[in-house]
Amino acid sequence: DAKTTQPPSMDCAEGRAANLPCNHSTISGNEYVYWYRQIHSQGPQYIIHGLKNNETNEMASLIITEDRKSSTLILPHATLRDTAVYYCIVRGKNAGNMLTFGGGTRLMVKP
Amino acid sequence: DAGITQSPRHKVTETGTPVTLRCHQTENHRYMYWYRQDPGHGLRLIHYSYGVKDTDKGEVSDGYSVSRSKTEDFLLTLESATSSQTSVYFCAIMGGNTDTQYFGPGTRLTVL
Repeated sequence: DAKTTQPPSMDCAEGRAANLPCNHSTISGNEYVYWYRQIHSQGPQYIIHGLKNNETNEMASLIITEDRKSSTLILPHATLRDTAVYYCIVRGKNAGNMLTFGGGTRLMVKP
Repeated sequence: DAGITQSPRHKVTETGTPVTLRCHQTENHRYMYWYRQDPGHGLRLIHYSYGVKDTDKGEVSDGYSVSRSKTEDFLLTLESATSSQTSVYFCAIMGGNTDTQYFGPGTRLTVL
């Protein structure tokens, strides 16, 4: 599975959009981009995933560049409860459908 | 939230003792996973199961064994716990019509 690169930390003002970038320049055609977050010491929470089209759900939007080498997770109106570590994961059809977690981005939402 | 529970949620044990952690699901999903998370690190896969009695190793399987005798339960066993196995352990499930993994609340294990 392709490796991802994320900034280690970011700040965002409460009520503003949080835009979290992820680079995955070695992604291959059948690999999906997944986003999870982990709030404090809870279990990781699934947010969204996509292949090449932009995706939106009740939690966030995922924008994938046309060449698929990078993506951005957008939280449209960040709240204090969105403070968490956000993981961008690229996953193909490997045996076991395993996820490989990197270091993630620690997002701090400030009042 | 996906129906996943882990037990115990916290455990303190001594070096050399056996420990079993349980993951229970109510979703009837085919795949189940055990990960560990250490301070400052992302999750690392220990073992996974793709069906009853079907398991395989992950990235950090040394010192751990697993069993799955029924769909809903996936057990992780440390035959002889060591201090390096002090960690937070997360279970995950996947199945149905989705390739998305859903995680349990975690078990914090301390080996003294």
